[in-house]
Amino acid sequence: EAGVAQSPRYKIIEKRQSVAFWCNPISGHATLYWYQQILGQGPKLLIQFQNNGVVDDSQLPKDRFSAERLKGVDSTLKIQPAKLEDSAVYLCASSLDRPDTYGYTFGSGTRLTVV
Amino acid sequence: GQQVMQIPQYQHVQEGEDFTTYCNSSTTLSNIQWYKQRPGGHPVFLIQLVKSGEVKKQKRLTFQFGEAKKNSSLHITATQTTDVGTYFCAGQRIGTYKYIFGTGTRLKVLA
Repeated sequence: EAGVAQSPRYKIIEKRQSVAFWCNPISGHATLYWYQQILGQGPKLLIQFQNNGVVDDSQLPKDRFSAERLKGVDSTLKIQPAKLEDSAVYLCASSLDRPDTYGYTFGSGTRLTVV
Repeated sequence: GQQVMQIPQYQHVQEGEDFTTYCNSSTTLSNIQWYKQRPGGHPVFLIQLVKSGEVKKQKRLTFQFGEAKKNSSLHITATQTTDVGTYFCAGQRIGTYKYIFGTGTRLKVLA
């Protein structure tokens, strides 16, 4: 089966600019996640969708980050305006209804550098 | 809030030596998962442990879940260069589907 697709692979922007990331999960996976992984740290959950509804966005900096999942399939994560500390890899993951059997399937990620 | 710590942060071993990483949660977990992330890659699911005291093996990898379900370990026997990467545990908070990733242990294997 095809994996989780993400684009772009890399992005360099200046601080205060905006950026958007795209994710296409594995077909049939109802749950989609966006994680932020800062260099040398473990992934941190930003937002979780169940179909097209938000389940958990408690750690999403809502003053600058937004995410949506249209029609319960693809998702976009946006940062506006970006700060230097947003430099990280943004990982999209999907799972069958619950990840506690087969775990998360992660995409290759988007490496964001804010200069 | 819940924290999941891993030790050591880094480990360099000679090829053929054993390696162990430890994962400790500040709270009791429903279950724990382990992931491997190759340099420049993304985390890949390895295994899940559910029961108190559970031990599972995958070839040279042995995973253990503590009796109190607050800690776990991953042991690799006779490391190979293909074992290089960062190993993360991810603990599921009781009553939620949310997993908290650990801080990771980066393994380097010297040939």
